[in-house]
Amino acid sequence: DQQVKQNSPSLSVQEGRISILNCDYTNSMFDYFLWYKKYPAEGPTFLISISSIKDKNEDGRFTVFLNKSAKHLSLHIVPSQPGDSAVYFCAASADLFQGGSEKLVFGKGTKLTVNP
Amino acid sequence: DTGVSQNPRHKITKRGQNVTFRCDPISEHNRLYWYRQTLGQGPEFLTYFQNEAQLEKSRLLSDRFSAERPKGSFSTLEIQRTEQGDSAMYLCASSPGQVNNEQFFGPGTRLTVL
Repeated sequence: DQQVKQNSPSLSVQEGRISILNCDYTNSMFDYFLWYKKYPAEGPTFLISISSIKDKNEDGRFTVFLNKSAKHLSLHIVPSQPGDSAVYFCAASADLFQGGSEKLVFGKGTKLTVNP
Repeated sequence: DTGVSQNPRHKITKRGQNVTFRCDPISEHNRLYWYRQTLGQGPEFLTYFQNEAQLEKSRLLSDRFSAERPKGSFSTLEIQRTEQGDSAMYLCASSPGQVNNEQFFGPGTRLTVL
């Protein structure tokens, strides 16, 4: 069962515009959500995270929003730049003290292309 | 470079052969993770260590797979009697055990089983 879902395999935006990447999850035990960026032939690189007790976290051009009741989060990139073109993975982990695990559960990824 | 390193970066082998991969984590990180990624999928958890103790193994880790972290530093992942279905990118990550569970990934070892 896919506990973390990224339903859009790809997204194309113009440079300078907003990119919105979406992620849904099913496991209510998840308490941290992370976004990773991956370039070809490299490992995933951490981008930003959010705790389940928050609904927004911002870091420069990147903002993650969490809607816990809908089990939905999104990553906003403003303004988008050609260097942002990569595959973006949503990941989640569950609270250790509630029987969770330190493993990250990943979605399938969304390939973002930012056109100049 | 003080990031996570993995060797080899690429491995081509014939079905039935054994292969071993190595991961060197960031030196002060006590947690080490192995993931596998196939085409069109996100990384899937295989196993993780806290220091030298292997604390969790996925059901994906069949009896042909074994991982070790003998001195709590580098780790090896061995696959015995490789099958074509083992072809994947094998990713290693390490972590100091932060609250948000941020894990730092290496570049991966791409395995091709012919």
